[in-house]
Amino acid sequence: DADVTQTPRNRITKTGKRIMLECSQTKGHDRMYWYRQDPGLGLRLIYYSFDVKDINKGEISDGYSVSRQAQAKFSLSLESAIPNQTALYFCATSAYLPFGNEQFFGPGTRLTVL
Amino acid sequence: GIQVEQSPPDLILQEGANSTLRCNFSDSVNNLQWFHQNPWGQLINLFYIPSGTKQNGRLSATTVATERYSLLYISSSQTTDSGVYFCAASPKAGTASKLTFGTGTRLQVTL
Repeated sequence: DADVTQTPRNRITKTGKRIMLECSQTKGHDRMYWYRQDPGLGLRLIYYSFDVKDINKGEISDGYSVSRQAQAKFSLSLESAIPNQTALYFCATSAYLPFGNEQFFGPGTRLTVL
Repeated sequence: GIQVEQSPPDLILQEGANSTLRCNFSDSVNNLQWFHQNPWGQLINLFYIPSGTKQNGRLSATTVATERYSLLYISSSQTTDSGVYFCAASPKAGTASKLTFGTGTRLQVTL
């Protein structure tokens, strides 16, 4: 089945460490996204990419960077992790349509920064 | 940016009961989606419904785009329906793909 996968699924790290979260998709979609969810809240957009050469900041990009290695791969990095980056992180994909498009989400990565 | 508000924030139902969840949005939309987040944290796509009505089994959804709201109906609820239901929307103006999420409705279905 065409799918969105994330690795790792769970990660515990320490303050100041660099960490990378990876996302891969087999849906053939051009557009990929990274979101963050804090307890009791909805998701917020960190970064998004419409193709390999296009990277855009979302609502809460400070402290994060991304890399679009291929159409199917989109990585999120925390250069120096801090405790308030503890959250559930989701990757999503969508196809390009002229007006609106449905997003499909990966299973999430639960990150804890001590 | 677009504002997305959901109500009620919390809902407790007995198994077999029906419910209606509401999502209000502040701007014209190109994309409106309903999701169910299960107790394990996974987001499950329920409906892609920027306008009109759709049904999938015991669930149905209606979006009245001109009045800027969407409704999710759950009939004959089951304990497996428990979790958080999110509405998310992206505005017609600007980049169509940027979803803004509401804060969710937490549903608990009891026996």
